[in-house]
Amino acid sequence: ETGVTQSPTHLIKTRGQQVTLRCSSQSGHNTVSWYQQALGQGPQFIFQYYREEENGRGNFPPRFSGLQFPNYSSELNVNALELDDSALYLCASSLSPDRGHGYTFGSGTRLTVV
Amino acid sequence: GQSLEQPSEVTAVEGAIVQINCTYQTSGFYGLSWYQQHDGGAPTFLSYNGLDGLEETGRFSSFLSRSDSYGYLLLQELQMKDSASYFCAVKNYGQNFVFGPGTRLSVLP
Repeated sequence: ETGVTQSPTHLIKTRGQQVTLRCSSQSGHNTVSWYQQALGQGPQFIFQYYREEENGRGNFPPRFSGLQFPNYSSELNVNALELDDSALYLCASSLSPDRGHGYTFGSGTRLTVV
Repeated sequence: GQSLEQPSEVTAVEGAIVQINCTYQTSGFYGLSWYQQHDGGAPTFLSYNGLDGLEETGRFSSFLSRSDSYGYLLLQELQMKDSASYFCAVKNYGQNFVFGPGTRLSVLP
């Protein structure tokens, strides 16, 4: 059973550019969520997808958008990058988070905006 | 608003018992979870409390009191490898998953 894989592991982009981060969920998991984690802080919830539909969103502007595909893999897109977007972006998947099944996290993508 | 509070740092010696507290204020509540994150690593799921009471998983136990909006993670027989950051997290009615700021646990020999 494979876990959650994210790509790329590291990325450097210029302010104003757009970026797409990718995530492959753990096999059988139909729920995926994305988080932004600044150094020394807890993960901040960006949004969650369940069976290709967004069913939860945190306090992030619309330039943060996402997709979940039929195979439950997912993308996070960020437009008009700002310096403050520099962070670790984590993807997590779960089978039934509302029934107590925990999220399995990927190792993240370290995004640096210069 | 929504907020979770945890102590920022806790230090203990090998073999000891440590308790990490978490208080929360959220719009709706679906349960309290705990995650461990080693430096440079991904958060890993430790436990979930949907109902009041104690849940035990090996050396780790977690407790929830919904009336007090309070929970804790209890780590017994501490080992050096337990040195990590520990996060409590709550899911609210908007399907938002809110993490606490994290508690950095240092286990000393």
